[in-house]
Amino acid sequence: DGGITQSPKYLFRKEGQNVTLSCEQNLNHDAMYWYRQDPGQGLRLIYYSQIVNDFQKGDIAEGYSVSREKKESFPLTVTSAQKNPTAFYLCASESREYEQYFGPGTRLTVT
Amino acid sequence: QKEVEQDPGPLSVPEGAIVSLNCTYSNSAFQYFMWYRQYSRKGPELLMYTYSSGNKEDGRFTAQVDKSSKYISLFIRDSQPSDSATYLCAMNDYKLSFGAGTTVTVRA
Repeated sequence: DGGITQSPKYLFRKEGQNVTLSCEQNLNHDAMYWYRQDPGQGLRLIYYSQIVNDFQKGDIAEGYSVSREKKESFPLTVTSAQKNPTAFYLCASESREYEQYFGPGTRLTVT
Repeated sequence: QKEVEQDPGPLSVPEGAIVSLNCTYSNSAFQYFMWYRQYSRKGPELLMYTYSSGNKEDGRFTAQVDKSSKYISLFIRDSQPSDSATYLCAMNDYKLSFGAGTTVTVRA
C-alpha cells in the first residue's frame, strides 16, 4: 500500500521547545517537500529536497531545519526560533511527472 | 501581487448544480497545472493534472487551461454533498505554487 505517512497527527509543545515532525514515503520518489498551511493563505513552501543528502530553502525557511539521509524520509524540525509555529504541516513527495502527493498532515500547537 | 490568485469563496450550491472554480496567474513560465481537493483536517488529494492549454475531462470533473489569458478552471458537474471541500489550484515551474483555495459546500 503505497503512500506518504506523517506522524504524529496532533502535536502539542510549549514555547521554546524544538519539535520534529516525521514524514515517510514508499513511492520511490526522489523529491520531497514540506509545506505550512494557515487559514486563508494556502500552502507555503518551507523546504524541499530533490535528492538524498541535498535540500533547499523554500519561501519561509526561517526557524525550520530538515535532513534527508534516506530517500524514504524527510523529517522537519520546528525550532524555538520560529515565531509563529502553530500551523498545519504537510509533507509531499513528487513523481517524475511533477505530480505531488501529500501526507495526512500534522497539526502543531505551541502554547 | 501573488503569483496565483484564487477567490476563497465560500461557494454554496445545491446538489446537482455545476460548480465552477478558477484561478489566474502571473508567471508565464508555469507549464503544469493541477487541482487538489482537500477535506477538512486532511492532506490535499490530487484531482486533475494538465499540461499546457486545453481541456481535460475525468468523470464529472473538467479542467481547462488558457495560457494566453493565464487562467485555469475546474468544473464539477452533477455536484454531490461529498464534493464539499476546499479546492486548491496549483501550478509548476521549478516548484509548485498554490492558490489560497476555494471552500465549496454542496447542499443536499
